[in-house]
Amino acid sequence: GESVGLHLPTLSVQEGDNSIINCAYSNSASDYFIWYKQESGKGPQFIIDIRSNMDKRQGQRVTVLLNKTVKHLSLQIAATQPGDSAVYFCAENGEDSGYALNFGKGTSLLVTP
Amino acid sequence: EPEVTQTPSHQVTQMGQEVILRCVPISNHLYFYWYRQILGQKVEFLVSFYNNEISEKSEIFDDQFSVERPDGSNFTLKIRSTKLEDSAMYFCASREWTGNQPQHFGDGTRLSIL
Repeated sequence: GESVGLHLPTLSVQEGDNSIINCAYSNSASDYFIWYKQESGKGPQFIIDIRSNMDKRQGQRVTVLLNKTVKHLSLQIAATQPGDSAVYFCAENGEDSGYALNFGKGTSLLVTP
Repeated sequence: EPEVTQTPSHQVTQMGQEVILRCVPISNHLYFYWYRQILGQKVEFLVSFYNNEISEKSEIFDDQFSVERPDGSNFTLKIRSTKLEDSAMYFCASREWTGNQPQHFGDGTRLSIL
């Protein structure tokens, strides 16, 4: 069935390095994508979003890239900090799902000093 | 910064009992959602609510579940007769208006069914 998934369950990076978290989606009707950060004991926190008519969007230290040809989404975090350690989820919604979000399984990012 | 608030943070209930989880969405938001997250799994959509009615629900949201907006600020999820498999984190979310806008989540209620 249609799904949103992540390539890697865990990612360990050194403080100061750049991080890249990847996500694959299979619903070609998806037109909106969101990255969330979830810290232990907290709810998903909005990081950045991108619409399907764009292929790149930048925020503060974060960049989301969308490749619709291969149905791939990535989150780049520049100069990763210890406070970036969390689980990161991609989520999508499109015509088929109304405005309900379909979440991926999550990637755990661990930043080591 | 306005936020979604949920109470209680942890609810322990005997199997078969009714439970009500409460949420106060962001004040100018019009769309409200419940999601759940079983330990170690991904976040799953339960139901969306707009204009005082359910607009979409998943297969998980069966007859044991109901939602209500009893006043201008609260949004509740009721589970009529809880089962062991209802144990999970339940997240409320809200969104400002229609179209592609981010949903903002509360910190969840951990529901433990004994």
